[in-house]
Amino acid sequence: EAQVTQNPRYLITVTGKKLTVTCSQNMNHEYMSWYRQDPGLGLRQIYYSMNVEVTDKGDVPEGYKVSRKEKRNFPLILESPSPNQTSLYFCASSLSRTGQTNYGYTFGSGTRLTVV
Amino acid sequence: GEDVEQSLFLSVREGDSSVINCTYTDSSSTYLYWYKQEPGAGLQLLTYIFSNMDMKQDQRLTVLLNKKDKHLSLRIADTQTGDSAIYFCAVPIYNQGGKLIFGQGTELSVKP
Repeated sequence: EAQVTQNPRYLITVTGKKLTVTCSQNMNHEYMSWYRQDPGLGLRQIYYSMNVEVTDKGDVPEGYKVSRKEKRNFPLILESPSPNQTSLYFCASSLSRTGQTNYGYTFGSGTRLTVV
Repeated sequence: GEDVEQSLFLSVREGDSSVINCTYTDSSSTYLYWYKQEPGAGLQLLTYIFSNMDMKQDQRLTVLLNKKDKHLSLRIADTQTGDSAIYFCAVPIYNQGGKLIFGQGTELSVKP
């Protein structure tokens, strides 16, 4: 089944403890992206990647890192999480580098992160 | 900057039609999308419209696009309780790596 898989689904952590949220897609998509969803703010892009070893900042990159060493994986790293990073995170992928196809983006099921 | 606006809530009775509206500022997009988010789930692509179309019909869903006014709408005919969800309008920004700009989402509540 074509899908984007994120892990974990739920995570509670303490301020300052490094964590990684994994994202993997099995569709050979070139484009991958991370979004965070907050009440009243909708979804905002954190980072995106157009291909292996090519990443760039989105609208809210502060406090996050990403890497794209393989086409299928795009982990999100929080080196020193803070409570304002408590949010619902989504990984997404797209066949096209421009993201503009009739298939749109395929989203993972989300990771609900709580930083205390 | 680019912006996508939606109303936050819509409540309808089962069997009625629902109309969710969206306005956007960027006009370079080739496609415009509607996503559906059910409680505790990710975003599912519901439908899309190509930018040179005015209307697209897909079973109970009708998408209308007014490019002049930069207005997009999603009509759900014969709305069912299973349609209760949050609906997002999403516009890709071509010159920013295909970034999707989302509206705030419209929470559709369907009452029996």
